[in-house]
Amino acid sequence: GAVVSQHPSRVICKSGTSVKIECRSLDFQATTMFWYRQFPKQSLMLMATSNEGSKATYEQGVEKDKFLINHASLTLSTLTVTSAHPEDSSFYICSAGIGGQSEAFFGQGTRLTVV
Amino acid sequence: AQSVTQLGSHVSVSEGALVLLRCNYSSSVPPYLFWYVQYPNQGLQLLLKYTSAATLVKGINGFEAEFKKSETSFHLTKPSAHMSDAAEYFCAVSEFTGNQFYFGTGTSLTVIP
Repeated sequence: GAVVSQHPSRVICKSGTSVKIECRSLDFQATTMFWYRQFPKQSLMLMATSNEGSKATYEQGVEKDKFLINHASLTLSTLTVTSAHPEDSSFYICSAGIGGQSEAFFGQGTRLTVV
Repeated sequence: AQSVTQLGSHVSVSEGALVLLRCNYSSSVPPYLFWYVQYPNQGLQLLLKYTSAATLVKGINGFEAEFKKSETSFHLTKPSAHMSDAAEYFCAVSEFTGNQFYFGTGTSLTVIP
């Protein structure tokens, strides 16, 4: 099946700094990618939809200036957590789909810890 | 609007016993339904999916699920639990035209030796 690679798998950063997470589709082109956040013991919540070549669409309650999404190519979307705070500590997962197919392919996730 | 409800945030079964994880959905259009498994600090692994073909879907690791439109359910079962089945399980629904997923709150499965 298709592979989505997410990097890094774990990152620890200081409060106030920014962190970039990459999501790559390795063997297919993805015009749309999705970013999810998962707090401990909770489900995955959609944060935003990343569209290649255009602005991302954010879900209600997600700060677009804090969670910057760039989808510069058909195989790469990045999520930058700016001015990170401890409450941003979470598990972030991206997914990508192939046009016309029902299944989405998920990255391995990134465990972000802000200290 | 679409939503997914997983009854029981924690399920414990004995090794060798039947596993039943419940999932109900609401959708305004015929949905695609999925079950994913997540091991600690890992991403999601697809167990199985329903995409309007056979209503009884067989997946990996001996799991299967049955789509029941009249009950808007997609319960996950496995005849005999194995210790390695202990994990978090998520039911999800997506629309026909997109890949945006709506997840249930998850069910943590514990297998007792």
